[in-house]
Amino acid sequence: EAQVTQNPRYLITVTGKKLTVTCSQNMNHEYMSWYRQDPGLGLRQIYYSMNVEATDKGDVPEGYKVSRKEKRNFPLILESPSPNQTSLYFCASSLRTAHNSPLHFGNGTRLTVT
Amino acid sequence: AQKITQTQPGMFVQEKEAVTLDCTYDTSDPSYGLFWYKQPSSGEMIFLIYQGSYDQQNATEGRYSLNFQKARKSANLVISASQLGDSAMYFCAMREGNRDDKIIFGKGTRLHILP
Repeated sequence: EAQVTQNPRYLITVTGKKLTVTCSQNMNHEYMSWYRQDPGLGLRQIYYSMNVEATDKGDVPEGYKVSRKEKRNFPLILESPSPNQTSLYFCASSLRTAHNSPLHFGNGTRLTVT
Repeated sequence: AQKITQTQPGMFVQEKEAVTLDCTYDTSDPSYGLFWYKQPSSGEMIFLIYQGSYDQQNATEGRYSLNFQKARKSANLVISASQLGDSAMYFCAMREGNRDDKIIFGKGTRLHILP
């Protein structure tokens, strides 16, 4: 089944404890992106990747890192999480980087930082 | 300035009625795509429908159709014969041809279908 897989679905952690949210897609998509969703703010882009070894900042990159060493994987790393990073996170991918290419989303990771 | 505007934070609609969710957008790029996504209470984001800026006809996918008015920069989602399972948050989004590195989302409309 074609899909974007994120893990974990739920994560509760403490301030400062490094964590990684994994994302993998099996559709051979070129483009991958991370979003965070907060009430009243909609979805905001954190980082994106146009292809392997090509990543760039989105609108809210502070406090996050990403890597794209393989086409299928795009992990999100929080080196020192803080409570303001409590949010619902989505990984998404699209076949191409083109205006007619829709994003396909993972099921989301609900992160709580205490 | 907001590029995608959804003016209805919430809507209540009787089951079986048609629903129109509003979306206006702002771009100077002649090539762009417009998308609608559904987010049920379980949280996942589901792609519903796509409309390209050069498409001559309005997009349709089952009970979903997109009322595309290019001159007004409007891309409203129409759901015909609403069902209880349509209760969800709906997001309008745009991807521009010269900025295809990102998709911009509106803030969403929460739709409640009443039995």
